[in-house]
Amino acid sequence: QLQVQESGSRLLKPSQTLSLTCAVSGDSTTSGGYSWGWIRQPPGKGLEWIGYIYHSGDTYYNPSLKSRITISADRSRNEISLTLTSVIAADTAVYFCARTGDGNCFDIWGPGTMVAISS
Amino acid sequence: QSVLTQPPSVSGAPGQRITISCIGSSSNIGAGYDVHWYQQLPGTAPKLLIFRNNNRPSGVPDRFSGSKSGTSASLAITGLQADDEADYYCQSYDRSPSGHVIFGGGTRLSVL
Repeated sequence: QLQVQESGSRLLKPSQTLSLTCAVSGDSTTSGGYSWGWIRQPPGKGLEWIGYIYHSGDTYYNPSLKSRITISADRSRNEISLTLTSVIAADTAVYFCARTGDGNCFDIWGPGTMVAISS
Repeated sequence: QSVLTQPPSVSGAPGQRITISCIGSSSNIGAGYDVHWYQQLPGTAPKLLIFRNNNRPSGVPDRFSGSKSGTSASLAITGLQADDEADYYCQSYDRSPSGHVIFGGGTRLSVL
């Protein structure tokens, strides 16, 4: 059974770089034609899509975050990575990694990791 | 403010039927893009409930159903149970100004 787990920086100061990794076990990140996405949720608020990396390696980003985001995949380690530069307090959120399924829904989610930005 | 509009809250008694609306526009739901629904229990990750407008993943009870018409979509829950109490989100795709995934603002379901 596929398992997904996010990890990475938990507490950052404004202007620093957020780096998160999503470890996938039980399947290859590139087998089966699956794509992967990152979604975040500020405390007490709704969901916000960050971006995708398709099985082809192509990436698609939220226009509001595009200038600060990089999503990549390490096929040998079954990992998907998210980098967000120049963080601000509004980037404080739980960050989720999720597999993209039929119709570009998100069918399998990691438990999420909380990232706090504070001076 | 979300591009997809959901009521902030709905409530119902055990056994009742409720619906949650997701109102979009001609650049997203009205353009033919699929709608997906998620259930998020407190402190947990969202769980896919309905995909491609009206399809249930394996393991999701048939008490949950989805529909789509014009620029809006709906999630219906029949036979309401206490453990249905959660936040519900719709998701679609918007083609303007550059295509991107969008979520509704979420609806908190209270089971009275």
